[in-house]
Amino acid sequence: NAGVTQTPKFQVLKTGQSMTLQCAQDMNHNSMYWYRQDPGMGLRLIYYSASEGTTDKGEVPNGYNVSRLNKREFSLRLESAAPSQTSVYFCASSFGTVNGSPLHFGNGTRLTVT
Amino acid sequence: QKEVEQDPGPLSVPEGAIVSLNCTYSNSAFQYFMWYRQYSRKGPELLMYTYSSGNKEDGRFTAQVDKSSKYISLFIRDSQPSDSATYLCAMSAQNTDKLIFGTGTRLQVFP
Repeated sequence: NAGVTQTPKFQVLKTGQSMTLQCAQDMNHNSMYWYRQDPGMGLRLIYYSASEGTTDKGEVPNGYNVSRLNKREFSLRLESAAPSQTSVYFCASSFGTVNGSPLHFGNGTRLTVT
Repeated sequence: QKEVEQDPGPLSVPEGAIVSLNCTYSNSAFQYFMWYRQYSRKGPELLMYTYSSGNKEDGRFTAQVDKSSKYISLFIRDSQPSDSATYLCAMSAQNTDKLIFGTGTRLQVFP
């Protein structure tokens, strides 16, 4: 009963390097989300995917790209990492917009950009 | 002004105390209200879910929504050291993909 699985758990990048954060859910959820969490800023939505084949920008999309690979998987890519992208990244999933469906979160990827 | 305001704390209480955590919001369209608990180095987990106004109780936890005042609360009775975590409120309007989170209140319950 894995729920939402994120890989890797930790990553250190140098400025300018690229990487992809992976996320998979096994709850047959329609919607998937990427958030970043920073001290004093709370959770901020980067991108979301309401259903397979669709993606939309959230509050802080600059510097990121996403791919909804299939219903289970939603990846987040940093093309050229910057120190301002040092954060904890959470993937989440839900059944969707009907009746305020709550989110289920993974345990995060802790990213440091030097 | 943020859509959702939450005191960051930290809030430090002795074991057995009643804890009150609160959020205020500005968007009158919010209909769904949630509380998440986040332990250190873990993802948030859903604790309480409420639709519209009223109270909901689950064991030692009570969620309260006052839409007229745009104010939600989470009460924890007989608090335990295992309740030490960050508590995030979250809310959304109907027919929207987006959940708006408070910044979280850090709670510490000491023995």
